[in-house]
Amino acid sequence: QSMLTQPPSVSAAPGQKVTITCSGSSSNIGENYVSWYQQLPGSAPKLLIYDNDNRPSGIPDRFSASKSGTSATLGITGLQTADEADYYCATKDGSLSGGLFGGGTKLTVL
Amino acid sequence: QLVESGGGLVQPGGSLRLSCAASGFTFSGFWMLWVRQSPGKGLVWVSRINGDGTSINYADSVKGRFSISRDNAKNTLYLQMNSLRAEDTAIYYCTRDWRNFAMDVWGQGTTVTVSS
Repeated sequence: QSMLTQPPSVSAAPGQKVTITCSGSSSNIGENYVSWYQQLPGSAPKLLIYDNDNRPSGIPDRFSASKSGTSATLGITGLQTADEADYYCATKDGSLSGGLFGGGTKLTVL
Repeated sequence: QLVESGGGLVQPGGSLRLSCAASGFTFSGFWMLWVRQSPGKGLVWVSRINGDGTSINYADSVKGRFSISRDNAKNTLYLQMNSLRAEDTAIYYCTRDWRNFAMDVWGQGTTVTVSS
């Protein structure tokens, strides 16, 4: 089955910047929009980014994203301890007619 | 705006029906999805259904065992789960596909535990 690959963990100091990558293939990221989610411990996921690089209302501009070819990247600047969470990318999978999530990346703000 | 119910403890091979009550938006206008998360693991897409229930997709891991449906008159999404296995143990979230598989509204989740 198709997969989206994310690093298991990333870390950075408060105030710094971090990037999280999401690697897929031509049948998923390559031909579909990517969305990103933040999941705080014990909570449901929250939409951070839609259509590759757009923020829903209420999401601060510290969060940004891009897509190139079969990969996508989430960036977070001005890190805060409140940003400590799991982050997931997601997209459609053309070969499955369904959806895919990345394995998730745990962000630690040191 | 999305409230799941129906989770619980069930023996392997058993069945369970999850429900998701929607409010605050035009339910029939959106694809709806079930997403699950096993303990300590990541998010996994399970199934989706379009607004009028005529288009349905399943993940390979649940195909033939799970059935998604909706009642737009009751603003409710369902997931009928049969032949349950230990690996189906997870929190099951109901979520709305706002646009292009961007899920903007999530329920609080309902926990399914498959164990003898």
